[in-house]
Amino acid sequence: DAGVIQSPRHEVTEMGQEVTLRCKPISGHDYLFWYRQTMMRGLELLIYFNNNVPIDDSGMPEDRFSAKMPNASFSTLKIQPSEPRDSAVYFCASSRDPITDTQYFGPGTRLTVL
Amino acid sequence: AQSVAQPEDQVNVAEGNPLTVKCTYSVSGNPYLFWYVQYPNRGLQFLLKYITGDNLVKGSYGFEAEFNKSQTSFHLKKPSALVSDSALYFCAVSSRSNDYKLSFGAGTTVTVRA
Repeated sequence: DAGVIQSPRHEVTEMGQEVTLRCKPISGHDYLFWYRQTMMRGLELLIYFNNNVPIDDSGMPEDRFSAKMPNASFSTLKIQPSEPRDSAVYFCASSRDPITDTQYFGPGTRLTVL
Repeated sequence: AQSVAQPEDQVNVAEGNPLTVKCTYSVSGNPYLFWYVQYPNRGLQFLLKYITGDNLVKGSYGFEAEFNKSQTSFHLKKPSALVSDSALYFCAVSSRSNDYKLSFGAGTTVTVRA
């Protein structure tokens, strides 16, 4: 298995632009998680899905952030409009079961908003 | 609410010496505990987990951790550290009371000198 795949690996954009981050979970994993990592706040859970349905989006910082999972093999995290404070590394992770199973992380997307 | 504390930002050891990375947690109910490692510009990699059963958990790359309920701790240990163990280590906890969402500690940077 190729593991969790994220694209792009690096994104540099200007303030006000729309940014879309993409994730392909491991096949057979019913849970998908989006995290954000910054020096100031560490690793934060933004949102997670079960069987393509958003379960908990309480970590999404504001309405500029949105996430979708149109099918079992693809999810997007969109920021519109982007701001410099959104600069961070965004990770996608997937698992079979949130209780006992390990979450497998993708390599991350490093976002820089100028 | 649940939380994880990693009291040491950095741990420095000589190669061949024992390595300990400390972690304490706070949850309502039974905890599920995890250790992950992150190498530069990479995603998080799973090391080991405690769900139930034996308090001593053995994981990847010779690491182990001991669940101590009375001290609410889950310290990571390795008897003989390698230079290649130099990385950022995260402790994480989940629980039923928090819908099994993972909460991560701030991370501990381990440096193993030759």
